[in-house]
Amino acid sequence: SQTIHQWPATLVQPVGSPLSLECTVEGTSNPNLYWYRQAAGRGLQLLFYSVGIGQISSEVPQNLSASRPQDRQFILSSKKLLLSDSGFYLCAWGQGAMSTEAFFGQGTRLTVV
Amino acid sequence: GENVEQHPSTLSVQEGDSAVIKCTYSDSASNYFPWYKQELGKRPQLIIDIRSNVGEKKDQRIAVTLNKTAKHFSLHITETQPEDSAVYFCAAREGGSYIPTFGRGTSLIVHP
Repeated sequence: SQTIHQWPATLVQPVGSPLSLECTVEGTSNPNLYWYRQAAGRGLQLLFYSVGIGQISSEVPQNLSASRPQDRQFILSSKKLLLSDSGFYLCAWGQGAMSTEAFFGQGTRLTVV
Repeated sequence: GENVEQHPSTLSVQEGDSAVIKCTYSDSASNYFPWYKQELGKRPQLIIDIRSNVGEKKDQRIAVTLNKTAKHFSLHITETQPEDSAVYFCAAREGGSYIPTFGRGTSLIVHP
């Protein structure tokens, strides 16, 4: 069966520090991968998605970047965090271009202080 | 691109009552409509979904209806229980699109 792992679960970082959140998927190949941010406990904002290794699409201009160095690995990064980067970050995967559900990771609660 | 509107943003009901959450979408090419439940501090998880060739789907106390002509779909929860309290997200996805578009979420509170 497929599983998705996201870490860390919680993170407190000072303003101006770098960020690296990692997400891996097991049990499938060539998944579509997504990074979402959820601010104030509500709406899901799509940040990045990837349909293949090295292929990254950015949905919203951010102080963030994403990379996909391997088929089942998706990384969210920042060189210098801002206070406004605080939020709940969710990685998700889906299969192909068919209409199917998205499976979410457990999320990372990021607090920038 | 697709735009999904979800209402209400907050819904408060008494245990045993029914709850209805409504969503509208803009892209007539969308053909997949999942609903996710997110409990506090946890990940969203699929609870039910419907495809455009079906008008209604039911799973125990949960049902979803779809009106393609009007481009809206709804989640119905009957006999609500406190454990139904969560944020619910609707989404729409076009066949061939990689990206589901989510509504802004509805915070459902079920009072014992």
